[in-house]
Amino acid sequence: AQTVTQSQPEMSVQEAETVTLSCTYDTSESDYYLFWYKQPPSRQMILVIRQEAYKQQNATENRFSVNFQKAAKSFSLKISDSQLGDAAMYFCAYRSPNTGNQFYFGTGTSLTVIP
Amino acid sequence: GAVVSQHPSWVICKSGTSVKIECRSLDFQATTMFWYRQFPKQSLMLMATSNEGSKATYEQGVEKDKFLINHASLTLSTLTVTSAHPEDSSFYICSARQTGAESQPQHFGDGTRLSIL
Repeated sequence: AQTVTQSQPEMSVQEAETVTLSCTYDTSESDYYLFWYKQPPSRQMILVIRQEAYKQQNATENRFSVNFQKAAKSFSLKISDSQLGDAAMYFCAYRSPNTGNQFYFGTGTSLTVIP
Repeated sequence: GAVVSQHPSWVICKSGTSVKIECRSLDFQATTMFWYRQFPKQSLMLMATSNEGSKATYEQGVEKDKFLINHASLTLSTLTVTSAHPEDSSFYICSARQTGAESQPQHFGDGTRLSIL
């Protein structure tokens, strides 16, 4: 089974600053999808950004961007101009088209934004 | 956008009670739905994959007779926790994938907080 590793249980960032959350994964597949989800205290899962493995260009969604390094199996999330509302748990997820499209989640990173 | 409704959002019941949680795709059809369990400050763990019109596929270690899944229509999957005990207390989340849109992300429900006394 695929494994997803988030090595930073907790991170903090000053408001308006930039922070990068790390994610690595292990797979033998060449075609897959990667996601970052945000889970605020309400526990709702909110999609932040997605990346298709066949695309070399890094995905960007407003203040959120990724650094996708396929050979290194790395998928980090950069949050620019951090806002108080960005405080949440962030989960990196891998989705395989070969195993029923199920998600494999990392253990999460708790992000604190300091005013 | 696509919406998944999960009900109830919070349930408290006595030990030994069976609890049913519903997951509905409101504006799309979902051949496949997924059920997750999340303990405090931990990640989402996939429990089972629910397939419309057929038996669910359970992950290793998940008791099929304990967690009954029914996916009788393209918009509804239910998870029934049978004879619930305090150790079943957890946060349960469902997600649904739109039929014919396998490249699209799954859509998550808002979760159900289950507390067994």
